[in-house]
Amino acid sequence: ILNVEQSPQSLHVQEGDSTNFTCSFPSSNFYALHWYRWETAKSPEALFVMTLNGDEKKKGRISATLNTKEGYSYLYIKGSQPEDSATYLCAFRAAGNKLTFGGGTRVLVKP
Amino acid sequence: DSGVTQTPKHLITATGQRVTLRCSPRSGDLSVYWYQQSLDQGLQFLIQYYNGEERAKGNILERFSAQQFPDLHSELNLSSLELGDSALYFCASSAGTQQGYEQYFGPGTRLTVT
Repeated sequence: ILNVEQSPQSLHVQEGDSTNFTCSFPSSNFYALHWYRWETAKSPEALFVMTLNGDEKKKGRISATLNTKEGYSYLYIKGSQPEDSATYLCAFRAAGNKLTFGGGTRVLVKP
Repeated sequence: DSGVTQTPKHLITATGQRVTLRCSPRSGDLSVYWYQQSLDQGLQFLIQYYNGEERAKGNILERFSAQQFPDLHSELNLSSLELGDSALYFCASSAGTQQGYEQYFGPGTRLTVT
């Protein structure tokens, strides 16, 4: 059983503040790390696919880094806005294509 | 809108019954994935197909089966349904299976077993 952990489980952020949270995954047999944004009553929306150690990806105010040797990825939100409120999921993909999801970090941005 | 469609949106059925969930991938995508999200668990990977062939299997019960047809749409068959099978079932698609491909999720089918 692959262990993919996300922390914290939830966090409250003041509008305008920046925040970050973590996804931990096995450091062996790494194939890819996916990040998704999941709003209530909608389906998960792909943010990033990260494949190489040291990868950094950016989409607007959201960015992510990857360390495959130590098995973690950070997601950063700069200048949080209320529309950033969502659950952010990471998913670890081992060789063999199976995707294992973390429990998610629920972000609530307060105006 | 991700371009992935799923039908039906909602399904209510009784224990012991059998249902079929349908998924059409984004145009051009060859790979289809099925996921289950139940109340007490996170998103669980069930099975993946690529161009008609099974590619990876996750936590899929023996009562469940899936297939991908020549037109690339996929169906997930759930039989001998139990109350615990009530969940949101997502389908996702990607262009290929290589590591850099993103998966695009459909809107999901909410199954309620009574």
